[in-house]
Amino acid sequence: QKEVEQNSGPLSVPEGAIASLNCTYSDRGSQSFFWYRQYSGKSPELIMSIYSNGDKEDGRFTAQLNKASQYVSLLIRDSQPSDSATYLCAVNGRNYGQNFVFGPGTRLSVLP
Amino acid sequence: DTGVSQNPRHKITKRGQNVTFRCDPISEHNRLYWYRQTLGQGPEFLTYFQNEAQLEKSRLLSDRFSAERPKGSFSTLEIQRTEQGDSAMYLCASSRLTGAPEAFFGQGTRLTVV
Repeated sequence: QKEVEQNSGPLSVPEGAIASLNCTYSDRGSQSFFWYRQYSGKSPELIMSIYSNGDKEDGRFTAQLNKASQYVSLLIRDSQPSDSATYLCAVNGRNYGQNFVFGPGTRLSVLP
Repeated sequence: DTGVSQNPRHKITKRGQNVTFRCDPISEHNRLYWYRQTLGQGPEFLTYFQNEAQLEKSRLLSDRFSAERPKGSFSTLEIQRTEQGDSAMYLCASSRLTGAPEAFFGQGTRLTVV
């Protein structure tokens, strides 16, 4: 089992819809969770961090964490074509030392 | 701009040559990370510094790779005797020692070994 798993996609949604991106992780000791956006040929850009169970909202983005299920998700409301990118889930925690373990990313395509 | 800076942005080298990349982290960040990313994959951890101390190194990192952070500020990553399989994007990130452990990436160095 890989440490951090994501559906590779592509996930296609129409403009204005809600995009839902999912991530599962294997280490129950994980403490910090992050979502990065990466445009083709560019480096990852941090868009959300979440540390406790529940929802965290920032503008059109909502991160959801369920540690019991080892599951973290990212919702993008009112999706725009500019949201088309790869979204990387990253986990940081006890068994990983201080480094961040990344999933393979989910490619999102928002159709005009 | 006080973001993470990496140089060079692109590097093309012949197989067998040595290459060195530089990373300047965000000034108040004590932690510095190197990652490698190939097409269609997430970033893969290489090594991690806290100030000048190299605290973690991936088991996947061969002896041809070495990293330094001599004064706890900028860092260099050297690859000796490059191989075609080393072609990738090399990413540097930094984060604070205390508070929220959020890591911010530089623009990356894209290495092509021909």
